[in-house]
Amino acid sequence: GQQLNQSPQSMFIQEGEDVSMNCTSSSIFNTWLWYKQDPGEGPVLLIALYKAGELTSNGRLTAQFGITRKDSFLNISASIPSDVGIYFCAGQLGNTPLVFGKGTRLSVIA
Amino acid sequence: DAGVIQSPRHEVTEMGQEVTLRCKPISGHDYLFWYRQTMMRGLELLIYFNNNVPIDDSGMPEDRFSAKMPNASFSTLKIQPSEPRDSAVYFCASSLFLDRTTNEKLFFGSGTQLSVL
Repeated sequence: GQQLNQSPQSMFIQEGEDVSMNCTSSSIFNTWLWYKQDPGEGPVLLIALYKAGELTSNGRLTAQFGITRKDSFLNISASIPSDVGIYFCAGQLGNTPLVFGKGTRLSVIA
Repeated sequence: DAGVIQSPRHEVTEMGQEVTLRCKPISGHDYLFWYRQTMMRGLELLIYFNNNVPIDDSGMPEDRFSAKMPNASFSTLKIQPSEPRDSAVYFCASSLFLDRTTNEKLFFGSGTQLSVL
């Protein structure tokens, strides 16, 4: 089925550093979402984007819906230890289930 | 609301055994999804239901996998017979709508970690 290319696969960063991850698709979406999965839990929605070019923030998190509608990025500023987890991008076209990327595993070294 | 409830949290079984995973969606949610998470393939949609009716099961890997939703508050995912390659985390999720403007309503359970030896 349809898949999203999410990168990087994993990241090891120092506490306080900024983080950037992105997601690309060969086809367009009209919704982009970013989820975070804590260890041993299910994914939880962080940010939802509904318009091409849209830039949305949620605290230290900022995400953008690419102008081509085929990509999105997520930035985390001033990382802290509790940012550890797996971050998933997800896309949707029309009234269909979400398609998820494979995730970016983030490790924060204190 | 207690959220999406899955059981068991962990399941260890031997190859060839039948495995049944259970899910209770959030009350009032019309859509229920089963996902499988592995390192290699990430989160894969297996099947989803609308008002207890299976809508798309194209993600179900083989005939060994089956899912049912006998009523609005309960769903099962069964693997019979199980194989080591079925080892993964299986998530159930539910939502009120499938409309693009209400994606924030997609809630995941805590998952079932399945290990088939």
